[in-house]
Amino acid sequence: AQKITQTQPGMFVQEKEAVTLDCTYDTSDPSYGLFWYKQPSSGEMIFLIYQGSYDQQNATEGRYSLNFQKARKSANLVISASQLGDSAMYFCAMSSLGGYNKLIFGAGTRLAVHP
Amino acid sequence: GAVVSQHPSWVICKSGTSVKIECRSLDFQATTMFWYRQFPKQSLMLMATSNEGSKATYEQGVEKDKFLINHASLTLSTLTVTSAHPEDSSFYICSARGGGVGYNEQFFGPGTRLTVL
Repeated sequence: AQKITQTQPGMFVQEKEAVTLDCTYDTSDPSYGLFWYKQPSSGEMIFLIYQGSYDQQNATEGRYSLNFQKARKSANLVISASQLGDSAMYFCAMSSLGGYNKLIFGAGTRLAVHP
Repeated sequence: GAVVSQHPSWVICKSGTSVKIECRSLDFQATTMFWYRQFPKQSLMLMATSNEGSKATYEQGVEKDKFLINHASLTLSTLTVTSAHPEDSSFYICSARGGGVGYNEQFFGPGTRLTVL
């Protein structure tokens, strides 16, 4: 069975600083994908970044980067130069590649960016 | 990116009534759609996976007779909460996946907030 663990219920960061949100996972699938989503108070799920299990390089998307350490089964999200608009819930998720690719979500981390 | 809509965005109903929520992929064909439920301050929990033209696959613990899912076309899936009760009050979110998506990305709808009085 797949499992996603986010151990930080809440984090805060000063504006313009970088912050790392932790995510560890467990799976027996040889091929899988790891995702990060942002959920502001409006409720919409905003896709941030994706990492495939066979990708050699860590994924980056603008201010977001994913620190993928396969041996440790971790996929931490790094947000650089935090902005006030980054305040939201952040969810790490995983899916198997192939099949229906259903997503399993972690419990989430609430990030507060302070001015 | 691809767009997924949900209707209604919020609904209030009396206990015992049924509520239908629509999920539409607007600019792509969704071979698979997923329905999630999210209680306040909690994570998203997958309820069921539906493929066009076939019966939905429900996750363990989800009552298939209570949460009826229909995926009649490649752009529309519906979730009907039958005989709703206050404990069914939640945020329901759908997502859609197209067969041609590069890395199996799912596109999420904006969600439907259901309140059962």
